[in-house]
Amino acid sequence: GENVEQHPSTLSVQEGDSAVIKCTYSDSASNYFPWYKQELGKRPQLIIDIRSNVGEKKDQRIAVTLNKTAKHFSLHITETQPEDSAVYFCAAREINAGGTSYGKLTFGQGTILTVHP
Amino acid sequence: DTEVTQTPKHLVMGMTNKKSLKCEQHMGHRAMYWYKQKAKKPPELMFVYSYEKLSINESVPSRFSPECPNSSLLNLHLHALQPEDSALYLCASSHQERYEQYFGPGTRLTVT
Repeated sequence: GENVEQHPSTLSVQEGDSAVIKCTYSDSASNYFPWYKQELGKRPQLIIDIRSNVGEKKDQRIAVTLNKTAKHFSLHITETQPEDSAVYFCAAREINAGGTSYGKLTFGQGTILTVHP
Repeated sequence: DTEVTQTPKHLVMGMTNKKSLKCEQHMGHRAMYWYKQKAKKPPELMFVYSYEKLSINESVPSRFSPECPNSSLLNLHLHALQPEDSALYLCASSHQERYEQYFGPGTRLTVT
């Protein structure tokens, strides 16, 4: 099955700095890579995602890049704000032997991002 | 309605109790999921329902029994749980299995 590794496990930045979180995946057949933000006591919230036919996607201060050859993808947050402080999870969606998705997301271990005012 | 809702928010149960968790969505999504999340860990998939049929069971113990009565509702029936089953149980839904998943707020379960 799929294995996703996420680094770093904790990240501390000053407000206004950029933050980068990196993930690697093992199954080259995986084709969908979402990022979730989870604040303390809250639900995981989908913040951005990327599919394997795209190399980069941007939404305001957030961007995700995908390198299929190296099997890694990254989350970039620019101009960080204290409200960006949360746990961020990357995930990869597996493809079954028939080449279709059956919805299983495998998550990385999470990155605790702290943005200091 | 663009949300996944879950009830109850908190549940404390003894090891001999039977209880159920409920998840509801009115977005017309045809895939629904149960995840388990322990403290400081990522969500772990338990079950996937697609068009009201169970499509994935991630080798979950039989003391957890899922049910999908209709396309908007997903239940998780709990029986004879162990203290190590204490966790946040998250429901999610997606348009179909190949689309993005949206999570509910979760039920925080404590087994005493």
